[in-house]
Amino acid sequence: SFELTQPPSVSVSPGQTASITCSGDKLGDQFASWFQQRPGQSPVLVIYQDSKRPPGIPERFSGSNSGNTATLTISGTQAVDEADYYCQAWDSSTALCVFGTGTKVTVV
Amino acid sequence: QLRLQESGSGLMKPSQTLSLTCAVSGGSISNGDYSWSWIRQPPGKGLEWIGYIYHSGSTYYNPSLKSRVTMSVDRSKNHFSLKLNSVTAADTAVYFCARLSCNGGLCYSVGLFDIWGQGTMVTVSS
Repeated sequence: SFELTQPPSVSVSPGQTASITCSGDKLGDQFASWFQQRPGQSPVLVIYQDSKRPPGIPERFSGSNSGNTATLTISGTQAVDEADYYCQAWDSSTALCVFGTGTKVTVV
Repeated sequence: QLRLQESGSGLMKPSQTLSLTCAVSGGSISNGDYSWSWIRQPPGKGLEWIGYIYHSGSTYYNPSLKSRVTMSVDRSKNHFSLKLNSVTAADTAVYFCARLSCNGGLCYSVGLFDIWGQGTMVTVSS
């Protein structure tokens, strides 16, 4: 089955760059999305179709996807970016949606 | 601005049927550019996709839940629903409804979950 693996946690200093990876077999052949989820809140779409930002999402959020790995990059990380982040992709061969295991980003 | 609001079962007993509704406001559920989805999150764990339903009524379900899940759309009430039968403690989770934007393409290829409800907690306990 199609699975997406993320590191459980990433720590970053304020103002620095955080990179979160999402690994899956031939993930680069699919579109990847990324969601931010703050404690007690619903997920928010921050990146879709690998690298596009929805309206209202700060430019410091960027994405890429190639080979077996999609990456979410947060440049100039701020305290408000502390949250859980989930990647998501479709397994087009089975028409099924898969979420990544999730990464907790801590700004310290 | 489109908004989604879940409502339904809160505290349940094992073997009962979970029933949730997602009310859509600020837009029509019949818009062919969108499908409608359910996603859940057990306490302290990650997101699990349950399935989605087209405005036409066609459905796609997670194979792990397919035998117990039914989704439906009520265009007259502008809402869509989830039923999950024979629940166990493992079904305890926050249940989210979400809009799946397909933009004229195949939802299972280009679909993105762009609007989410606030979520509703469902607890299964004897």
